[in-house]
Formats: sequence, C-alpha cells, structure tokens
Amino acid sequence: GAGVSQTPSNKVTEKGKYVELRCDPISGHTALYWYRQSLGQGPEFLIYFQGTGAADDSGLPNDRFFAVRPEGSVSTLKIQRTERGDSAVYLCASSLLGTETQYFGPGTRLLVL
Amino acid sequence: AQSVAQPEDQVNVAEGNPLTVKCTYSVSGNPYLFWYVQYPNRGLQFLLKYITGDNLVKGSYGFEAEFNKSQTSFHLKKPSALVSDSALYFCAVRDMNYGGATNKLIFGTGTLLAVQP
Repeated sequence: GAGVSQTPSNKVTEKGKYVELRCDPISGHTALYWYRQSLGQGPEFLIYFQGTGAADDSGLPNDRFFAVRPEGSVSTLKIQRTERGDSAVYLCASSLLGTETQYFGPGTRLLVL
Repeated sequence: AQSVAQPEDQVNVAEGNPLTVKCTYSVSGNPYLFWYVQYPNRGLQFLLKYITGDNLVKGSYGFEAEFNKSQTSFHLKKPSALVSDSALYFCAVRDMNYGGATNKLIFGTGTLLAVQP
C-alpha cells in the first residue's frame, strides 16, 4: 500500500515568509508525528497527533510553528515569519493506534534564504 | 532525560564482512529501542525494534540487533555486508515520562555506513 507522502518535496522561501508543509499519512493510521532534521543531526520531535488533536506539542520550538489535522488524516505544519534557522528537512511519520513503529515519509526540504 | 548515543560517525567495512553499528542508551525504565536507515534524499525506513522478549531481534534486509541491558547497548549487526547497505543509520528510543513510554522518539546523531566493494 501507499506510504506516508509529503508535499512539497522541496520548498525555498525568503526570510519572513509564511510556509505550509503537508503530510498525508498511511491510510488507517490514527497517530501522526512531525520531526525536524537539521544537517548532520538525527530527527527531533516537534508534535504528535492522535486523531484530530495534538496530544503532545512539546517539541515545537516557538509560537511561529503550528500544526493542524482537522479531519484526523492529512496534517499541515505551518511556519510563520520564517527564519534562516528554520532551514531543515521536515519529516512526517504515522503509526497505528497502540503500536510502536512509526513509518516515515520522504520529508520536505525547507530552505529559508 | 532519555537519550541514545551513536559513538561512531562513520563505519567502513568491506563487502562480505560482518558489520556492527553501535548504539548505547540511557532511559529510566524498560527501553523501547529502534533502528532506522536513511538513504540519500529519502525518509527513514524502519529496520527493527526491541520492546520485550528475546534479546536478539531480527529485522529487514538481514539486519539484527542485540539488546544488552547490562551494557545499555543495542548494536546493529549483519553477518555479511552488501554495497547496497551503504546508508545513514539511526538508533532511537521512545521517550519516557512519569506515565511511562510516550510516543516521542529520541534519535541518535546517526552513523554513516560505507561498504566498499
């Protein structure tokens, strides 16, 4: 079956602009996660959804970052007033309720100029 | 705080030789441990996990990992390396809080495996 998909695959924006990154999880997966991977580092947790609600948003770095999942499927990560330090690969993952394994999408590579 | 360490930035091995990629962890309570592999410009692919049970866990593509509680290690192994195994490997652990295991994964910094033909 289809895996986790993310769009766009690459995004270049200017400092101060607003961006939206989309994640489409594996069908039937109720849990959805966002991570951020900076160059040379492992992924770092941002936020976790169970259904439509954010169950844990402790990894969001500041209030410029926000994520939604209005219908419990597709999720959008929103970044306001982007900064050069936001440049990274943003990874989305999903899992079945009650299971531990998270399945990752290919990521969106964000570059803020 | 929970953490994992991958002490080697890069591991070099000749094709056909056994390989080991090291990982040590620090958690409160029983660990949930994972290995993922990342190929260039692609997301992370799940290889295997340890939750409970046998200390030797078998996963995808012929990889296995050994959970060692006394050494707090979860090293990834393969008996015979292939050139196609060359990639970036990440060890991860589920974060813990007062309620037990959370859904947050904490990743190591990754180890680049280079298999020479």
